[in-house]
Amino acid sequence: DVKVTQSSRYLVKRTGEKVFLECVQDMDHENMFWYRQDPGLGLRLIYFSYDVKMKEKGDIPEGYSVSREKKERFSLILESASTNQTSMYLCASSFETRPLHFGNGTRLTVT
Amino acid sequence: QKEVEQNSGPLSVPEGAIASLNCTYSDQGSQSFFWYRQYSGKSPELIMFIYSNGDKEDGRFTAQLNKASQYVSLLIRDSQPSDSATYLCAFYNNNDMRFGAGTRLTVKP
Repeated sequence: DVKVTQSSRYLVKRTGEKVFLECVQDMDHENMFWYRQDPGLGLRLIYFSYDVKMKEKGDIPEGYSVSREKKERFSLILESASTNQTSMYLCASSFETRPLHFGNGTRLTVT
Repeated sequence: QKEVEQNSGPLSVPEGAIASLNCTYSDQGSQSFFWYRQYSGKSPELIMFIYSNGDKEDGRFTAQLNKASQYVSLLIRDSQPSDSATYLCAFYNNNDMRFGAGTRLTVKP
């Protein structure tokens, strides 16, 4: 079974802090994704990566950056956290155009 | 136009009934379509995927795809209270997966 692990289930950060969300998958998938989910807005794609050191912007990349130095790890970075980045963050991975496998999510609160 | 539109909810059906969830998509080149179920506070989990026109059945679930109409649906037969969740349809847009906003289903005992 594919396992996608997000480092934190809940995080509370202050406005202006630099925040790192980590995601690790164990199935050698080349594709990895970061989404945020807000009530009424569904899942919105922030960034995705289809290979090591490769990244593509999704629909809402502003205020975020990503890092993929190793195939199994995809990090989401909030350069300077703001209250409007309070959300549920979901990491996922996939092989080619096969189904996505999701992590358990990180609920981030920025105060 | 949104890339993925789902029928607005919430949808409520009695236990044992058929629940019908619908989705339209804008990208005519899409080849892969997915239905995910998401319980409150949990991550989405895959229910079904479909690549070809027609029907695909898996237990109580049937996915239907009509590429000409850019339409995909999910039927849940003999609905159970445990099916109460938000259902998300999704498809690949080039290399990334796009999701609808979801339809919240409640199955009443």
